[in-house]
Amino acid sequence: GENVEQHPSTLSVQEGDSAVIKCTYSDSASNYFPWYKQELGKGPQLIIDIRSNVGEKKDQRIAVTLNKTAKHFSLHITETQPEDSAVYFCAASLTSGSARQLTFGSGTQLTVLP
Amino acid sequence: DAGITQSPRHKVTETGTPVTLRCHQTENHRYMYWYRQDPGHGLRLIHYSYGVKDTDKGEVSDGYSVSRSKTEDFLLTLESATSSQTSVYFCAISEPKNTEAFFGQGTRLTVV
Repeated sequence: GENVEQHPSTLSVQEGDSAVIKCTYSDSASNYFPWYKQELGKGPQLIIDIRSNVGEKKDQRIAVTLNKTAKHFSLHITETQPEDSAVYFCAASLTSGSARQLTFGSGTQLTVLP
Repeated sequence: DAGITQSPRHKVTETGTPVTLRCHQTENHRYMYWYRQDPGHGLRLIHYSYGVKDTDKGEVSDGYSVSRSKTEDFLLTLESATSSQTSVYFCAISEPKNTEAFFGQGTRLTVV
């Protein structure tokens, strides 16, 4: 089955700096890569996703890049703000099939220092 | 949280007792999932359902069973709880034509 590795496990940045979180996946058939943000006491919430036919996607201060050949994808957050502090999870799955089974990375605790 | 209600939100139970967690959705989404979240492991899929009475096993299904008799409800049962099942459990929903999965707020289960 799919295996997703995520690094780093913790990340501290100064407010206004950029943050980068990296993930690798094992199954070359995976074609959907979402990123979730989880705030304390809440469930994960989708912040951005990318499909395998796209190399990069941006949404305001957040961007995701995908390298299919190397089987890795990254989350980039620019101009970080204190409200960006949370746990971030990457995931991988197939978009086809009867139900979408997401395989998650182990998470990154991002702390934005004021 | 996209019309998803998990109950109970917190539960402490003793080893060997049966436990049922409930996920209720008001979005009429076809797919429903149960994940568990443990430090260092992210979220791992326990079971999922792709329709009423249609369920299948996920990555960590041993010791768990599920049932879905109505579109809106997906139950997760621990027949005989063990300490290794102490975790935070999340329900999620999605639709076939939409890639996004929506998560509930979680149930914190402690088995003592």
